[in-house]
Amino acid sequence: DAGVTQSPTHLIKTRGQQVTLRCSPKSGHDTVSWYQQALGQGPQFIFQYYEEEERQRGNFPDRFSGHQFPNYSSELNVNALLLGDSALYLCASSLGWSAEAFFGQGTRLTVV
Amino acid sequence: DAKTTQPPSMDCAEGRAANLPCNHSTISGNEYVYWYRQIHSQGPQYIIHGLKNNETNEMASLIITEDRKSSTLILPHATLRDTAVYYCIVRVAELSSGSARQLTFGSGTQLTVLP
Repeated sequence: DAGVTQSPTHLIKTRGQQVTLRCSPKSGHDTVSWYQQALGQGPQFIFQYYEEEERQRGNFPDRFSGHQFPNYSSELNVNALLLGDSALYLCASSLGWSAEAFFGQGTRLTVV
Repeated sequence: DAKTTQPPSMDCAEGRAANLPCNHSTISGNEYVYWYRQIHSQGPQYIIHGLKNNETNEMASLIITEDRKSSTLILPHATLRDTAVYYCIVRVAELSSGSARQLTFGSGTQLTVLP
């Protein structure tokens, strides 16, 4: 079992560009959540997808959007990148409602 | 979800028990206590959770006070690999309309295991 896999591992983008991050959940998991973790802080919830729909959203602007595919994999899109979007982006998968989430290693996004 | 309070940092000698406290005085009756840890440059890792009874698994033990306002995560024989940030999180376990689905991470406790 490969667990939760995220790609790419590192990414450098220019301010104003758009970025897409990808996540494959742990085998058997149907729910994917995305978190943003700034340096020295705990992860902050962005949104959660279940049955290909966004089920809940944290306090993030509409520049952050996502998608879940029929195979449960997910994408996080960020438009009009700001310097403040530089962070570690974490994907977590779980089975339905469970709070026992498995996290990927994250994608380190640097906006310059 | 209830707010949690943890000390920002703790040290523990290798081989000794590490006891990490967490206060959650506003916890509701339907909220569980979850513990996660994050080793540097990795994603958070689930450790254990409980409602009101003490719980033990291969990684740790969780002691929840009778009034459920605080809990302690115990790593019985800490190793250098246990050096990490430990997060205490409370969250409902049953889905209902409006229930928060996310895990709300605070700042956690930086545990440093010393050789």
